[in-house]
Amino acid sequence: GAVVSQHPSWVICKSGTSVKIECRSLDFQATTMFWYRQFPKQSLMLMATSNEGSKATYEQGVEKDKFLINHASLTLSTLTVTSAHPEDSSFYICSASKLAEYYNEQFFGPGTRLTVL
Amino acid sequence: AQSVAQPEDQVNVAEGNPLTVKCTYSVSGNPYLFWYVQYPNRGLQFLLKYITGDNLVKGSYGFEAEFNKSQTSFHLKKPSALVSDSALYFCAAHSGGYQKVTFGTGTKLQVIP
Repeated sequence: GAVVSQHPSWVICKSGTSVKIECRSLDFQATTMFWYRQFPKQSLMLMATSNEGSKATYEQGVEKDKFLINHASLTLSTLTVTSAHPEDSSFYICSASKLAEYYNEQFFGPGTRLTVL
Repeated sequence: AQSVAQPEDQVNVAEGNPLTVKCTYSVSGNPYLFWYVQYPNRGLQFLLKYITGDNLVKGSYGFEAEFNKSQTSFHLKKPSALVSDSALYFCAAHSGGYQKVTFGTGTKLQVIP
């Protein structure tokens, strides 16, 4: 199997606070993990790509200081939304690719619903 | 630049009828193609992929997709739709290696009882 978990599945926070979302590959080692944001009835927007032990690569228009990504091990990546505001409310989904798998099939986590009040 | 097009925002089909969800792609070189399904407030679940080999790919839940190189298409099909197939379907593609995957805009499938 290739199972990816996310925690928490949903979170409500006050404006100005920070929220950390964890993404774990449970039964495989992930060379690369991806963070997406999905707005209602829209496709996935890639926010950043993270490789274990190196800095994340952010997509254009994504604030790296606001969305901090850490990929500390081959099974864990975290996304921290700093100083969250209501416009950051969204569905955040992570995915992971298996180590050395050249065709880059991604396995997705179940998503995290963030609501900022 | 690579791109994926899903021309239909929504597809309606009666239960028991065959269904098709369309996808066309544009990538340089040989394409790697995927279909995912998303249920409300859930992540994406993998359905099937085309890497190489037979043009007809069989996947989960009775779905299949046909790779057509000349038409640059990778349409998702199922012979007999179920109400439980109602969901959002995403086509995705990339050109190999560790290239970024590009997703289509998604097609909402509604199976009518």
